Amino acid sequence: QVQLVESGGGLVKPGGSLRLSCAASGFTFSDYYMSWIRQAPGKGLEWVSYISSSGSTIYYADSVKGRFTISRDNAKNSLYLQMNSLRAEDTAVYYCARRSGRFDPWGQGTLVTVSS
Amino acid sequence: DIQMTQSPSSLSASVGDRVTITCQASQDISNYLNWYQQKPGKAPKLLIYDASNLETGVPSRFSGSGSGTDFTFTISSLQPEDIATYYCQQYDNLPPLFTFGPGTKVDIK
Repeated sequence: QVQLVESGGGLVKPGGSLRLSCAASGFTFSDYYMSWIRQAPGKGLEWVSYISSSGSTIYYADSVKGRFTISRDNAKNSLYLQMNSLRAEDTAVYYCARRSGRFDPWGQGTLVTVSS
Repeated sequence: DIQMTQSPSSLSASVGDRVTITCQASQDISNYLNWYQQKPGKAPKLLIYDASNLETGVPSRFSGSGSGTDFTFTISSLQPEDIATYYCQQYDNLPPLFTFGPGTKVDIK
C-alpha cells in the first residue's frame, strides 16, 4: 500500500538547521509531485512547499522562502526538506504528502520544535 | 491571496444526525476545493476532491458540493468514528498556492 514515513524532526535552537526526510513506498515515486505541509501545535494546516516529479519545478510559501529548500531523490524514493535559520514560529508537525493540489496520502508527521 | 473561512468552528451533534459544514473563498476558485478529515493525533485524510468527488474508499455518507466561492460538506448520518476536525483547502496553480480553512471540530452530543 501507499506509505509515506517522515523522519528527522527534533529540538533545535533558533537560528539552527534541520533536515527532514520522507521515505515513500507502494507507488512509483518518480511519477508524482510531492509536498510538505505543517501544523503548529493546536493550530491549522499550512502548506510549505512542493516539488515536481522531476524536481525541476519548486514552489514555497512566503513564510519559508529563502530559508527552506525542498529536494528529492527519485532513485531512493525520498523527499527532503532542508530547514535553515529556524524560528520559534516554525515549530510544528511536518507532514509530507503525495501530489500538489490535492494531498493524498499524508505521512504520519515529524515534530520540529524550535526553542532555546 | 485567497482566504478561506469555515463555519461553524465547532459543532456537537447526535449519532445519525445530518451535519453540514460550509467553506467560503474570498474569490472565485471554480471547483478547486478539497475536504480533509483529521482525527486527534493523526494525519489528515482526503475525503472529497474538486468540490464534489468522493475519494476512493471513503464512505458514501460524506459528500461535497458547491463552486465559485461557496462550498458545503455534508455527513448524511453522523457516526461515532466521524469525530474529527474537518478542513477545506483550495488550490490555485498560478502561482501555486494552497490554502486551508481554519477547520471545523465535530463532536458527538
